[in-house]
Amino acid sequence: GAVVSQHPSWVICKSGTSVKIECRSLDFQATTMFWYRQFPKQSLMLMATSNEGSKATYEQGVEKDKFLINHASLTLSTLTVTSAHPEDSSFYICSAVSGPRKNTEAFFGQGTRLTVV
Amino acid sequence: DAKTTQPNSMESNEEEPVHLPCNHSTISGTDYIHWYRQLPSQGPEYVIHGLTSNVNNRMASLAIAEDRKSSTLILHRATLRDAAVYYCILRGNTDKLIFGTGTRLQVFP
Repeated sequence: GAVVSQHPSWVICKSGTSVKIECRSLDFQATTMFWYRQFPKQSLMLMATSNEGSKATYEQGVEKDKFLINHASLTLSTLTVTSAHPEDSSFYICSAVSGPRKNTEAFFGQGTRLTVV
Repeated sequence: DAKTTQPNSMESNEEEPVHLPCNHSTISGTDYIHWYRQLPSQGPEYVIHGLTSNVNNRMASLAIAEDRKSSTLILHRATLRDAAVYYCILRGNTDKLIFGTGTRLQVFP
């Protein structure tokens, strides 16, 4: 199946700093990418949807100025957590799709575990 | 997006078939039924999806009720590597995949 690569796999940062997470679709063009956050023993929570070349659409309650999403090409989307705080520590997962949406499988990255100290 | 209901957890023995149920009584006529699974500390993995007819692939089978208000994911012979959280998701006219709580499958040797 198609491959979505997420980098880094884990990161530890100091409170107040910013962290960038990359999501790449390696063998297909991703018209749409999604970013999720997952806390321990909970399900994935959708944060935002990004389409190449346009602004991301954020879910209710997600601060767009804190979680900056850029989808500059059909193979790369980035999530930047700005001014990170310990409560932002979580497992962040990206997903990518191509083609007709509801009849298309989504491919997920391996996730990035962010720890803010 | 229409809601799905799954049991919190299920158990199986290795080499036995597993039937994971999902109820989606508010499904609309154009919603596709998708299944994903998530192994510990990994991103989700696509399993299978369908609209009306039953579907088979190398990983599993998807049985869809005639009224489409429920579906069952079938793992024909469970292995230890199938231990994961399985998510049943309806995908409609929006781009989004909204995850519910899923079913945690334990497989015993």
